[in-house]
Amino acid sequence: GENVEQHPSTLSVQEGDSAVIKCTYSDSASNYFPWYKQELGKRPQLIIDIRSNVGEKKDQRIAVTLNKTAKHFSLHITETQPEDSAVYFCAARGSYIPTFGRGTSLIVHP
Amino acid sequence: DADVTQTPRNRITKTGKRIMLECSQTKGHDRMYWYRQDPGLGLRLIYYSFDVKDINKGEISDGYSVSRQAQAKFSLSLESAIPNQTALYFCATRQGRYEQYFGPGTRLTVT
Repeated sequence: GENVEQHPSTLSVQEGDSAVIKCTYSDSASNYFPWYKQELGKRPQLIIDIRSNVGEKKDQRIAVTLNKTAKHFSLHITETQPEDSAVYFCAARGSYIPTFGRGTSLIVHP
Repeated sequence: DADVTQTPRNRITKTGKRIMLECSQTKGHDRMYWYRQDPGLGLRLIYYSFDVKDINKGEISDGYSVSRQAQAKFSLSLESAIPNQTALYFCATRQGRYEQYFGPGTRLTVT
């Protein structure tokens, strides 16, 4: 089955800095890569996703890049703000079910 | 989103008790999932269902069972709860190739 590894497990940045979270996957058949944000005590919510026919996608301060050859994808957050503090999960999905990474706790210091 | 709901939201139970967690959705999605979240371990899939007659085991199904009573309802049961089943449980739904929507979660403590 699919195996998704996510790094780092914790990331601490100063407000205004950029943050990058990286994931690798094992199944070359995976074709959909969502990123979820989970604030403390709340449910995971989709913030951005990318499909395998696209190399990069941006939405305001967040972007995701995908390298299919190397089987890795990354989340980039620019100009971080305290409200970006949360746990971020990557996932990889082929035909049926997604496999999640273990999560990255992002802490943005004011 | 109030369209994926879970009951109860919090539950404390004792070792050996049977407990049922319920999930309901008004999104009209055909696919429903149960996940377990533990600190540092991410979201692990327990069971999933693609329609009322379809039930599939996930990576950590031992000690759990499910029932898909209707398209909108998917219940998770712990037949005999044990302390290492203490966790946060999420139900999720999906339609086709689109994103998953998560319920608010149920925090379960087994003493």
